[in-house]
Amino acid sequence: GAVVSQHPSWVICKSGTSVKIECRSLDFQATTMFWYRQFPKQSLMLMATSNEGSKATYEQGVEKDKFLINHASLTLSTLTVTSAHPEDSSFYICSAAAQRGETQYFGPGTRLLVL
Amino acid sequence: DAKTTQPPSMDCAEGRAANLPCNHSTISGNEYVYWYRQIHSQGPQYIIHGLKNNETNEMASLIITEDRKSSTLILPHATLRDTAVYYCIVRANFGNEKLTFGTGTRLTIIP
Repeated sequence: GAVVSQHPSWVICKSGTSVKIECRSLDFQATTMFWYRQFPKQSLMLMATSNEGSKATYEQGVEKDKFLINHASLTLSTLTVTSAHPEDSSFYICSAAAQRGETQYFGPGTRLLVL
Repeated sequence: DAKTTQPPSMDCAEGRAANLPCNHSTISGNEYVYWYRQIHSQGPQYIIHGLKNNETNEMASLIITEDRKSSTLILPHATLRDTAVYYCIVRANFGNEKLTFGTGTRLTIIP
């Protein structure tokens, strides 16, 4: 149980384009989902927290207009990187929790390369 | 959330028990100790968590000292597939559900 998937697993795009990443909880309903970013040889950094049906809460320094998060259902959250630039190239990982405060389960990650 | 301190790296022989320490001397009474691991190029995997009692599941055991200022994750019979970065995180289960990842311990299982 507690399986989280992400799609796509990797994506290459041109600078200036937008990329959408999906995060799905496959065998449970997730009230809360989280989006992290991990640069090479660094640890995970939380970008934002999203609760189903409400606006996401972004961490300090994360541009909400650049990283659009939608959590429209209890099993799906999406992260859209708008007008991507090479510095946005990173490993994006989501996690999901059934209820606020419960154990988070992570997806396999999406590797984004912006050329 | 309380901060944790872990050794940057450890080696363990295949088949032996791997004991990974974590210090969390500023842990609050309502904070749990969580352990995750991240195998190269994958998302973190949940291992185990506990509040004050020792915990065991199919993956590992978690030993928390009586004063709760430190804990040890035990992988009873390490295999090569246990090579990963192991993160010890303390977090309250209510009010602030964020997980703050430190640098973790890079565990290498030696054949």
